[in-house]
Amino acid sequence: AQSVTQPDIHITVSEGASLELRCNYSYGATPYLFWYVQSPGQGLQLLLKYFSGDTLVQGIKGFEAEFKRSQSSFNLRKPSVHWSDAAEYFCAVGPGSSNTGKLIFGQGTTLQVKP
Amino acid sequence: DADVTQTPRNRITKTGKRIMLECSQTKGHDRMYWYRQDPGLGLRLIYYSFDVKDINKGEISDGYSVSRQAQAKFSLSLESAIPNQTALYFCATSDFRGTGYTGELFFGEGSRLTVL
Repeated sequence: AQSVTQPDIHITVSEGASLELRCNYSYGATPYLFWYVQSPGQGLQLLLKYFSGDTLVQGIKGFEAEFKRSQSSFNLRKPSVHWSDAAEYFCAVGPGSSNTGKLIFGQGTTLQVKP
Repeated sequence: DADVTQTPRNRITKTGKRIMLECSQTKGHDRMYWYRQDPGLGLRLIYYSFDVKDINKGEISDGYSVSRQAQAKFSLSLESAIPNQTALYFCATSDFRGTGYTGELFFGEGSRLTVL
């Protein structure tokens, strides 16, 4: 079955510390992978996406993610967290070659940033 | 103005009432989606539409119906609301017709529905 797992429901980091949010997927075909961020009261905004090429992708707001096919992972990282990064983060996977366009989302990870 | 607009943003209703959530977009995208967000469950797909005449059920379509009135409008209806439909609902769009299609979704700001 197709699925996305974000093992960490809640993470707290200090401002200025590094961050890694984990994402593991189970998908039969070559996946397209996404990270979205949801700030309180807002919709979801795309941080970055991977569908081919370099397995290390850069996104907005200083985020990056690395696709590791052997580990079925697409972890999100940021070297230095800012208080404004406090939000909920969603990993999603979609069909790479199919045309359905449906995304499967993980459960989400809530990031809290301590001053 | 937002490219994907949802109305209402907040709604409180009672069990058994009919509710419609509306979504309109100015992005010119052909595909539209309705997702439901529940704490700890992420987003789950309710219905999706590839064009006005092509509507498909998602993983949790029971208790919901949709209407694609025009390319830019996609409405979600709860014919008889029940408390476990209390959730945050998101409309999203994607553009399949363009080159370099990746399946990226563009989201509205959400409609919070409470069913008492």
